[in-house]
Amino acid sequence: AQKVTQAQTEISVVEKEDVTLDCVYETRDTTYYLFWYKQPPSGELVFLIRRNSFDEQNEISGRYSWNFQKSTSSFNFTITASQVVDSAVYFCALSETNAGGTSYGKLTFGQGTILTVHP
Amino acid sequence: DTGVSQDPRHKITKRGQNVTFRCDPISEHNRLYWYRQTLGQGPEFLTYFQNEAQLEKSRLLSDRFSAERPKGSFSTLEIQRTEQGDSAMYLCASSFSGRVDTQYFGPGTRLTVL
Repeated sequence: AQKVTQAQTEISVVEKEDVTLDCVYETRDTTYYLFWYKQPPSGELVFLIRRNSFDEQNEISGRYSWNFQKSTSSFNFTITASQVVDSAVYFCALSETNAGGTSYGKLTFGQGTILTVHP
Repeated sequence: DTGVSQDPRHKITKRGQNVTFRCDPISEHNRLYWYRQTLGQGPEFLTYFQNEAQLEKSRLLSDRFSAERPKGSFSTLEIQRTEQGDSAMYLCASSFSGRVDTQYFGPGTRLTVL
């Protein structure tokens, strides 16, 4: 069975600090997809990024960057120069695939990390 | 392009009553998912449809829960004889079943069972 662990329940930083959110996953599949979602206080989950298991290139999007390491089954998320608007709950999620590499779609989520950025 | 919408946003009911929630997916999306999220937890998968076919149901979906997507567009989730343990946020997501299936979520329906 697949599992996603976000060991950090809550993180508190001061604005402009860098912060890394950890995500460790377990799956028996060799092909899978990893996701990060943001859930602001309004409650709606917002898609941030998707990575597939055969592409270990790190990705940067503005102040956001993601580090995928298959060897340690980790997919960590870093926010550089954090801002108050980054305050939210962040979820890491995993989706397995069929033999053809097509995503099953069903997402397994971690428990989430509450990030609070203080001014 | 409008996003996923859910109705109602909040529902308060008494134990034993039936409730029904509606989800309207993004128009070109053929997959529709239901998840449940309790306080302090990540969303948990309940069921999903591809077009009108219900392809998978979680063991979390007891006999009191039923979901439909009759014309492959909107979906309804009904809970019969609600229990206090059913109190949660019910999230709907939709996607297009291409090779990579990225789900986009609605705002959720918060259910409180008294």
